[in-house]
Amino acid sequence: SQQGEEDPQALSIQEGENATMNCSYKTSINNLQWYRQNSGRGLVHLILIRSNEREKHSGRLRVTLDTSKKSSSLLITASRAADTASYFCATDARGGTASKLTFGTGTRLQVTL
Amino acid sequence: EPEVTQTPSHQVTQMGQEVILRCVPISNHLYFYWYRQILGQKVEFLVSFYNNEISEKSEIFDDQFSVERPDGSNFTLKIRSTKLEDSAMYFCASPEGFGAPETQYFGPGTRLLVL
Repeated sequence: SQQGEEDPQALSIQEGENATMNCSYKTSINNLQWYRQNSGRGLVHLILIRSNEREKHSGRLRVTLDTSKKSSSLLITASRAADTASYFCATDARGGTASKLTFGTGTRLQVTL
Repeated sequence: EPEVTQTPSHQVTQMGQEVILRCVPISNHLYFYWYRQILGQKVEFLVSFYNNEISEKSEIFDDQFSVERPDGSNFTLKIRSTKLEDSAMYFCASPEGFGAPETQYFGPGTRLLVL
């Protein structure tokens, strides 16, 4: 598998339910970031978690990072129809001024009313 | 969220033509990045630019590509002779603050279609 692969590839839930997306990567990282992309639009930065952090929260988002398993998860609680989008994890192996993001394949989330 | 702007939003060009994609990063920042996303595929790093010179480029960024900072605010990506496979969404990205250069904020993208 390639650096930064998400699963599932697609997820369909009802409004109010929680959505969990997973990301696996292969090399060591400085940080991992999650982005949202509405269809055909730009990438919106959601959250950054550093390699020495295990969990981070931002509003309805909860991100975990397990560097021993080289994996991360993004949990969206109490989902809304407006959360419908593709979600990507992106790893940064070096950080700082040498930062360069390697993106995963993404999870397409569909939230229905 | 800090705003990165890009123009044009869409560009259609004939194969072999030159295109220039423009980006206005978050003001006064020294780090800029270009990425591209071919339809249905993952976002790929093209090039990073720091203090008016390329700091890193990917295999994709061949001699057909160049980046410039023509003035204090604009940042351009030029494709000299476009190919069909250059059709993609091109994103410019910029960090926000000097304390956290890793957090990259993306512009809305330019959708390039090469015919």
